[in-house]
Amino acid sequence: DQQVKQNSPSLSVQEGRISILNCDYTNSMFDYFLWYKKYPAEGPTFLISISSIKDKNEDGRFTVFLNKSAKHLSLHIVPSQPGDSAVYFCAATAPYSGNTPLVFGKGTRLSVIA
Amino acid sequence: DAGVTQSPTHLIKTRGQHVTLRCSPISGHKSVSWYQQVLGQGPQFIFQYYEKEERGRGNFPDRFSARQFPNYSSELNVNALLLGDSALYLCASSGTGNLGYTFGSGTRLTVV
Repeated sequence: DQQVKQNSPSLSVQEGRISILNCDYTNSMFDYFLWYKKYPAEGPTFLISISSIKDKNEDGRFTVFLNKSAKHLSLHIVPSQPGDSAVYFCAATAPYSGNTPLVFGKGTRLSVIA
Repeated sequence: DAGVTQSPTHLIKTRGQHVTLRCSPISGHKSVSWYQQVLGQGPQFIFQYYEKEERGRGNFPDRFSARQFPNYSSELNVNALLLGDSALYLCASSGTGNLGYTFGSGTRLTVV
């Protein structure tokens, strides 16, 4: 039973446009969410996170939105650049409940076309 | 400043053998976690260690074991290897109270 779901295995976006990656979760105990980016032959690299007490967090071109009632979060990348092409993983955890392991989705492969 | 280092980077083993994977966390980080990533899936939690004590274990068989040393480095051991154990094994470290995990580049294990 997947607790974190990324239903789009892949996404293609033109350079300069917005990329929107979606993630849904089922466990209402999750209260901290992270996005990681992964290139081939490298480990996941932390991008941005959000706590359940917020509904938005921005860092440069990256913004994460959280809709707790829908158990849904999304990552917006504006403007998209060719170097953003990678696999993006959504992860969730419940650190304030004493349970800190990350639960990952299957990932979305983003291709930014020049 | 060194990040999380894992060794070896690649490994080929035969079914039934055992394997030991190693991880050195970022200096000052006391928590180490291990994840398994098979092709087409997200990383799956195997173990977490903090201050040399096991703090969590994922849904993996007893063939998987781990330990953390006084210098906070860690080993993941897998006995009686199966073809299905072929995967990228990732180590992540985090500091006290730090909700961010920094991952190493992983060890690619192939079981033939």
